[in-house]
Amino acid sequence: EVHLVESGGGLVKPGGSLRLSCAAAGFNFSTSSMHWVRQAPGMGLEWVSSISSSSTFLYYGDSVKGRFTVSRDNAKNSLYLQMNSLRAEDTAVYYCTRLYNWNGGDAFVIWGQGAMVTVSS
Amino acid sequence: DIQLTQSPSFLSASVGDRVTVTCRASQGVSTYLAWYQQKPGKAPKLLIYAASTLQSGVPSRFSGSGSGTEFTLTISSLQPEDFANYYCQQLYDYPYTFGQGTKLEI
Repeated sequence: EVHLVESGGGLVKPGGSLRLSCAAAGFNFSTSSMHWVRQAPGMGLEWVSSISSSSTFLYYGDSVKGRFTVSRDNAKNSLYLQMNSLRAEDTAVYYCTRLYNWNGGDAFVIWGQGAMVTVSS
Repeated sequence: DIQLTQSPSFLSASVGDRVTVTCRASQGVSTYLAWYQQKPGKAPKLLIYAASTLQSGVPSRFSGSGSGTEFTLTISSLQPEDFANYYCQQLYDYPYTFGQGTKLEI
């Protein structure tokens, strides 16, 4: 079965750090572009970061650039998001997702269940 | 960054109605536009990719159209399970932005 499972969420104080993990199964993880998307409570979806299959290309949203680092371990079928200098506005559910490519368009088909990150003193 | 503006932000409708949601991009994204449905407490679900291609398993009452800067999602006959939040997303250029969402209410 194809699935993604996030872990590592929790409560952290402002300025603190947290590392999210995403375990993949049921598809060829090592050839997949992987992404993080977040959703603050009661708000819309926000794309956070992406990493290419071989970790060559890394991209970040402006709101997390310089504070978050995406990485992966293809041998372990795992995706990571290291979050440093956390702020209250980083409070959100964080989803990992796989990018599918088609002729004329791409999209996120597989999503994890989400990991809640709360930044509060 | 490419901005996506969805309209309306809120839509009140009844079972059986035909509804349309519009997504406008601040610059051309060709057909690199996807639509997602999200229900409370759940991850988003892909409905449409490449602007107009129905994802496998999605009911045919959902359809998408457009290219360039203007796109639409249409639900031809609303069913009770369709009341949810809907988002468009451009995957033409990084950052892969989402529209602000449309809440479809009974």
